[in-house]
Amino acid sequence: NAGVTQTPKFQVLKTGQSMTLQCAQDMNHNSMYWYRQDPGMGLRLIYYSASEGTTDKGEVPNGYNVSRLNKREFSLRLESAAPSQTSVYFCASSEAGGLGANVLTFGAGSRLTVL
Amino acid sequence: AQSVSQHNHHVILSEAASLELGCNYSYGGTVNLFWYVQYPGQHLQLLLKYFSGDPLVKGIKGFEAEFIKSKFSFNLRKPSVQWSDTAEYFCAVNQAGTALIFGKGTTLSVSS
Repeated sequence: NAGVTQTPKFQVLKTGQSMTLQCAQDMNHNSMYWYRQDPGMGLRLIYYSASEGTTDKGEVPNGYNVSRLNKREFSLRLESAAPSQTSVYFCASSEAGGLGANVLTFGAGSRLTVL
Repeated sequence: AQSVSQHNHHVILSEAASLELGCNYSYGGTVNLFWYVQYPGQHLQLLLKYFSGDPLVKGIKGFEAEFIKSKFSFNLRKPSVQWSDTAEYFCAVNQAGTALIFGKGTTLSVSS
């Protein structure tokens, strides 16, 4: 059982380039999330999808877009990467639909560097 | 805005010492509380959670946390730490209908 799988694990971009981080879960979870982790800042929510077909902004959505492709997959796109988006990105999922008393299962993370 | 505060940025302990990591939140009303741990090079894992009931919650690896509603706190404790507890610890809080918000994390370094 793979859980939450993120690709790529590492990526280096130049300022202005675009890329998509992929996330897939095989636990039949309803909700999916994208967080970024920066030193001294903890984890900050970028976007989430409380159920298939819905997406909502989190704390730091600027510069990002998301797509909930189906129940399994939730992608994060950087249209024009900036150095401030250098971070480790975590995808997570939870069984319960909506938001509330949900235990999140995290992926291994994607380390993105923007030069 | 709702927030989660972890008081200690970096804690250094010797093996067998007792541990208490502070966590406070600014939400009013009913909350769901979590502690997650990130071991070096690994992804976040759930350590323990509180949804309702007994405010003293026991988690994995001998950790426990106490929910004190009047103090808006959910402090993490362990009576005797081990070298393998070296990790980063995150407190997280949410309410029904809101996404999970994390504190900034506390790095625990345990020397053998």
